[in-house]
Amino acid sequence: EVQLVESGGGLVQPGRSLRLSCAASGFTFDDYAMYWVRQAPGKGLEWVSGISWNSRSIGYADSVKGRFTISRDNAKNSLNLQMNSLRVEDTALYYCAKDFGVPEGAMDVWGQGTTVTVSS
Amino acid sequence: DIQMTQSPSSVSASVGDRVTITCRARQGISRWLAWYQQKPGKAPKLLIYGASILQSGVPSRFSGSGSGTDFTLTISSLQPEDFATYYCQQANSFPYTFGQGTKLEIK
Repeated sequence: EVQLVESGGGLVQPGRSLRLSCAASGFTFDDYAMYWVRQAPGKGLEWVSGISWNSRSIGYADSVKGRFTISRDNAKNSLNLQMNSLRVEDTALYYCAKDFGVPEGAMDVWGQGTTVTVSS
Repeated sequence: DIQMTQSPSSVSASVGDRVTITCRARQGISRWLAWYQQKPGKAPKLLIYGASILQSGVPSRFSGSGSGTDFTLTISSLQPEDFATYYCQQANSFPYTFGQGTKLEIK
């Protein structure tokens, strides 16, 4: 069974850091690009970051550029999101998602999400 | 960044109705567009990719069309399980972006 399981969320003060992880199983992880998508309470989906299968292509939303860093470890089938200088507006449910493959860009498998709350 | 604008933001319809949701990109994205369905408390579900290709297992009452800047998602005959929020997403270039969502409610 193809599965993505996020972890690392929690309550953190503004300005602090948090690292999210996503454990992948049931597919050949290093064949696919991977993404982070977030959803603030009661709001729509916001694409946060993406990384190609070989980590050579990486992108960020303007709202997190310079503060968040995406990475992957293909040997461990894991995706990570290092979040620094967190802001109240980063409060959201963070989803890990797998790229469809061909064509690239659509997300066909999603985790259940991990909640990040930024508050003093 | 490529801004995606969906319309309407919400729509009320009845079982059996035909519903169309539109998505407009600020610049041309060829056919690099996906549609998702999200129900409360659940992760999004991929419905359509490549603007018009139905994801495996998605009922044929869902269809997508368009290219360039204008796209549509059509549900030909609404079923009770279709009441949800729908999002478009461009995959033309990083950063990918979603539309603001369209909430489909029961009339």
